[in-house]
Amino acid sequence: GQQLNQSPQSMFIQEGEDVSMNCTSSSIFNTWLWYKQDPGEGPVLLIALYKAGELTSNGRLTAQFGITRKDSFLNISASIPSDVGIYFCAGQLQGGGSNYKLTFGKGTLLTVNP
Amino acid sequence: KAGVTQTPRYLIKTRGQQVTLSCSPISGHRSVSWYQQTPGQGLQFLFEYFSETQRNKGNFPGRFSGRQFSNSRSEMNVSTLELGDSALYLCASSLDDTRRGFFGQGTRLTVV
Repeated sequence: GQQLNQSPQSMFIQEGEDVSMNCTSSSIFNTWLWYKQDPGEGPVLLIALYKAGELTSNGRLTAQFGITRKDSFLNISASIPSDVGIYFCAGQLQGGGSNYKLTFGKGTLLTVNP
Repeated sequence: KAGVTQTPRYLIKTRGQQVTLSCSPISGHRSVSWYQQTPGQGLQFLFEYFSETQRNKGNFPGRFSGRQFSNSRSEMNVSTLELGDSALYLCASSLDDTRRGFFGQGTRLTVV
């Protein structure tokens, strides 16, 4: 089935550093979403992007919907210890039943060293 | 407003048994999606229901089935459990569109 390539798989950074992660696809998506999952919890939606080229911020988080509609980026500025977790990108293809399912990347494990 | 509630949180079953998981969506939400999460495969879409109708189904064997009731609560059933079915099963609810879904905490199923 459809796969999203998310990178990097893991990151180990110092508190205060900025972080970047991205997702690419061979297919065009009409929506890109970014989630964070803490251990033992379900994913929590951070940012939703609905238009090619769209740049959206949520506090220290900024995400962009790539112009080609085949990629998306998430940046976290001035990281803090509570940013630790797994970050997932997800996309929704357009048309028919695809409107009703999300395809997820494999996740980026972020560790922040205080 | 209460979030998405999944029960039970943890479950241990034996190979060959069947299991039913429950998901109560946020009040007013009519769409419920189910996902399987494993370390190897990540989050994989199982199916989505809206107003008691299945709108889309993922690439899982027929042992995986679901349904939605008139109050939007949903159940998923896995029959003839296999060791590989051990996973975190997540449901997400939304008003009408999977793009704006809210996830529950999941049910951790272990098959022994």
